[in-house]
Amino acid sequence: GIQVEQSPPDLILQEGANSTLRCNFSDSVNNLQWFHQNPWGQLINLFYIPSGTKQNGRLSATTVATERYSLLYISSSQTTDSGVYFCAAVSNTNAGKSTFGDGTTLTVKP
Amino acid sequence: DGGITQSPKYLFRKEGQNVTLSCEQNLNHDAMYWYRQDPGQGLRLIYYSQIVNDFQKGDIAEGYSVSREKKESFPLTVTSAQKNPTAFYLCASSMRGLADTDTQYFGPGTRLTVL
Repeated sequence: GIQVEQSPPDLILQEGANSTLRCNFSDSVNNLQWFHQNPWGQLINLFYIPSGTKQNGRLSATTVATERYSLLYISSSQTTDSGVYFCAAVSNTNAGKSTFGDGTTLTVKP
Repeated sequence: DGGITQSPKYLFRKEGQNVTLSCEQNLNHDAMYWYRQDPGQGLRLIYYSQIVNDFQKGDIAEGYSVSREKKESFPLTVTSAQKNPTAFYLCASSMRGLADTDTQYFGPGTRLTVL
């Protein structure tokens, strides 16, 4: 099945800094999502982005499907951005099943 | 409010007991999913259902069972055959299947601890 790898595994920032999180996937995808898991375990949808670029406030994401990677950008980070960021991909050849990466744990210090 | 509810929030089970986790959605979504999350790891798919009365095994289905008798409900039973059931269980739903360029939404989760 499809493999999904996220980097870096851990990231520590000072408030106000920018960051880039990466998601590599091993197969062509027709569905890719980014999530933020808060300290209570709730997963919040950030982006549905199988290709192209999207922006939502301080967050933006880009997926280059032909090169099999996606990037999540966080600008002017805040302490409330802390948590775990996951990407999840659905392969073209295994429709219906979503595979998650192991996540990037972001800590934003005041 | 529309959304996905899971109950209970915390669940304690003795070894050898079966336990059922509830997942209900009022979003009128066709597809529902169960994931397991272990500490420091990503989510792994247990079972998914794209339509009522039909479901498929995910990557780690052994020791689990599900039913999908109603569109809004997708309960998960953790059986005594599951060797290491202590984990955080998350339910999700999507309007259609994920192959149809769809977005999945998650419930708040159930933390299961085997004593």
